[in-house]
Amino acid sequence: IQLTQSPSSLSASVGDRVTITCRASQDISIYLAWYQQKPGKAPKLLIYSASSLQSGVPSRFSGSGSGTDFTLTISSLQPEDFVHYYCLQLKNYPLTFGGGTKVDI
Amino acid sequence: EVQLVESGGGLVQPGGSLRLSCAASQFTFSNYFMGWVRQAPGKGLEWVANIKEDGGATYYVDSVKGRFTISRDNAKNSLFLQMDSLRTEDTAVYYCVRYRRGYDFFFDYWGQGTLVTVSS
Repeated sequence: IQLTQSPSSLSASVGDRVTITCRASQDISIYLAWYQQKPGKAPKLLIYSASSLQSGVPSRFSGSGSGTDFTLTISSLQPEDFVHYYCLQLKNYPLTFGGGTKVDI
Repeated sequence: EVQLVESGGGLVQPGGSLRLSCAASQFTFSNYFMGWVRQAPGKGLEWVANIKEDGGATYYVDSVKGRFTISRDNAKNSLFLQMDSLRTEDTAVYYCVRYRRGYDFFFDYWGQGTLVTVSS
């Protein structure tokens, strides 16, 4: 299953609302997770099962979608949010990640 | 707090071998699927392999099948990745991950990563 993540990069400002999309090449139901990765660090889980917020993650992060089309929304960008984001499908092996989105100031 | 600590990375020549280890703590290791994810320098994330709770089933990305072997020792709370016939394209940071499965599916905890460099 291929995951097409878009855009690959975006420029935004503090306070902006941004949306990142992830499209699967076939139906994956809600077996999708979103991760945030800061430079030099391991990825951190933000959203699982397409729309469930991981404990401890700020409520400005939200996820939606099912089937083949998914979105990660950050309602109001904070300075620490200008990093990389990845989607991951866990429906079928091989598990696959999207290509990533870099959010720039 | 759950901890995953990888070790065993380093510089190896093409065609060589390396064995990565991941020491797990603060959770019941034998109750969880585990896995490895890698990230080449400046590139995205790539899932490498998973192993069932009892080690009875393993899964691999096609590019490492026949060359890498994932295993575990539940008595020692340890996960391993034996990497043989290494290629330059295997150069990456390798992360140990805990795989939460059940009603929901996701990698919830990640180690800090260990760098593997394949070069002559």
